[in-house]
Amino acid sequence: DIQMTQSPPSLSASVGDRVTITCRASQSISWLLNWYQQKPGTAPNLLIYDASSLQSGVPTRFSGSGSGTDFTLTISSLQPEDFATYYCQQSHRSPLTFGGGTKVEIK
Amino acid sequence: EVQLLESGGGLVQPGGSLRLSCAASGFTFSSYAMSWVRQAPGKGLEWVSTISGSGGSTYYADSVKGRFTLSRDISKNTMYLQMNSLRLEDTALYYCAKAESSSSGWYYFDFWGQGTLVTVSS
Repeated sequence: DIQMTQSPPSLSASVGDRVTITCRASQSISWLLNWYQQKPGTAPNLLIYDASSLQSGVPTRFSGSGSGTDFTLTISSLQPEDFATYYCQQSHRSPLTFGGGTKVEIK
Repeated sequence: EVQLLESGGGLVQPGGSLRLSCAASGFTFSSYAMSWVRQAPGKGLEWVSTISGSGGSTYYADSVKGRFTLSRDISKNTMYLQMNSLRLEDTALYYCAKAESSSSGWYYFDFWGQGTLVTVSS
């Protein structure tokens, strides 16, 4: 199975900060990496697919990059509604696997 | 507007069975794979199973293989997850998700339902 490791597990940031979350795969997954946002009590929401493609309706302050084994999700200017947990997921092969999540909290 | 509505969750004893349903609307159901993803209380996301658009192919996580069976009724725009031999570790919120194909032929999840809670306890 492909293991997905996110870092950091949590972070504290202020509104307006630039935030970067990383995701590392245990083997190369090309560009087949997706990012989700989950707010408490709600279902996950797709932000980025194929490493860098912005899902329709997602604000442009979210961006993704990377290929192979190392990927990043960047929020260019953190907004109050962005405080949530973020997950990466590989779609390279079965079993489909998720990272452990990164919780973004208010500083 | 894509809508996914799960039902069928509840409290069941270890070794028991449940059938979850996911009613879909707002898209051509037979054209897309569908999946279940679960989340144990306070934990992360775990892919459970995926079924192809036609229903001809199904895929399972090792943790549920041989115990869970995924099917779909295209005439009813509904997907079903039959869960047998349930274990304590199957306790989770089960999300239905519409699956979009990556270039690899595997999937990411572009729309999600709100989930149905399965609790396995004696």
